Amino acid sequence: EAGVVQSPRYKIIEKKQPVAFWCNPISGHNTLYWYLQNLGQGPELLIRYENEEAVDDSQLPKDRFSAERLKGVDSTLKIQPAELGDSAVYLCATAQGGSTDTQYFGPGTRLTVL
Amino acid sequence: AQSVTQLGSHVSVSEGALVLLRCNYSSSVPPYLFWYVQYPNQGLQLLLKYTSAATLVKGINGFEAEFKKSETSFHLTKPSAHMSDAAEYFCAVTFQGAQKLVFGQGTRLTINP
Repeated sequence: EAGVVQSPRYKIIEKKQPVAFWCNPISGHNTLYWYLQNLGQGPELLIRYENEEAVDDSQLPKDRFSAERLKGVDSTLKIQPAELGDSAVYLCATAQGGSTDTQYFGPGTRLTVL
Repeated sequence: AQSVTQLGSHVSVSEGALVLLRCNYSSSVPPYLFWYVQYPNQGLQLLLKYTSAATLVKGINGFEAEFKKSETSFHLTKPSAHMSDAAEYFCAVTFQGAQKLVFGQGTRLTINP
């Protein structure tokens, strides 16, 4: 069974440029999470989807970040415009059900903003 | 609110020695507790999970953890470290009906030959 797929794996951009990350979940996983992981820190939740509905986006900086999960499968996370402080690893994780279910993580996208 | 504290951001042990990574949690309701491992440039992988069944949980790669309610702890152990265990380890907590999993800061495990 294929795991969670994320692309790109690495991205380098200039500040103020837009950037987008893509996540393809494990088949049948209804819940999808986007996390931000700063160097030397644990993942922090940005947004959680149940199917196509964003059920928790309280930690998403909505002035520059947006996300979508069309048809309740693939998801994209966008930053526009990017700032220096956005340099981090963006992780996607999926699960069959709620927060007590095991989350399966993708390899992440390492973003560097210059 | 739930929180997790991992004592020691960096632990170093010799190959063959006991591995002990500490995790203390805070939760006002019965918790679900997880240990994840992250190898360089990879995502997190589940090691083991406590879901209110047996207090001693066995995971992959010879790791196990014991839930101690009186100490609000869920420490991770492995009797004999291997070089391949070098990685970052994260403890996390949630509860039934919660919206999210809360992670600790992580502990980097180094294995000395």
